[in-house]
Amino acid sequence: ETGVTQSPTHLIKTRGQQVTLRCSSQSGHNTVSWYQQALGQGPQFIFQYYREEENGRGNFPPRFSGLQFPNYSSELNVNALELDDSALYLCASSPSGQGANYGYTFGSGTRLTVV
Amino acid sequence: GDSVTQMEGPVTLSEEAFLTINCTYTATGYPSLFWYVQYPGEGLQLLLKATKADDKGSNKGFEATYRKETTSFHLEKGSVQVSDSAVYFCAPHASGGSYIPTFGRGTSLIVHP
Repeated sequence: ETGVTQSPTHLIKTRGQQVTLRCSSQSGHNTVSWYQQALGQGPQFIFQYYREEENGRGNFPPRFSGLQFPNYSSELNVNALELDDSALYLCASSPSGQGANYGYTFGSGTRLTVV
Repeated sequence: GDSVTQMEGPVTLSEEAFLTINCTYTATGYPSLFWYVQYPGEGLQLLLKATKADDKGSNKGFEATYRKETTSFHLEKGSVQVSDSAVYFCAPHASGGSYIPTFGRGTSLIVHP
């Protein structure tokens, strides 16, 4: 089975620009979560999608938005980029309702640098 | 909200030494407990899990026991290897909803030959 794949792996953007990050969930997983991991910190939960609807959100401003598609792949969009948005963005997937038993499968992340 | 407290790192050990990384948590309800590992330049990988009190999770020589009475889930390994060098995250998965995990800052482990 394929794991979680994210693209691109690295990205450099200018402050004020917009960015879209992409994630393909593991086969059979219909729940996708996004995390922001600053250097030396743990992952911070941004939001989660289940069957194309957001079903959980962390403490991030509205300029962080997302989508999930019918094939369960997902996008993370960030508008009006700020320097503090520089981080590793992680996507994770899980089978529906099985997060407690199965845990989450993570991708390798997208390293975003805002200059 | 849920929270995790892990021992400060880095933890520096010689190869074949015994490892303990302490983890305590606060959570509403009855969470499942996980340890994830992150190798340099990579995403997180699930290491082991326990879904109810007194369960012991184990994988690759690592073990952790779900202690509900002390809200702890300490990670142990009897003999570490250089290849175990990584950052380790304890993560309760909140009960209810979709079991979204909570992460702390992680504990960095450095194993010297």
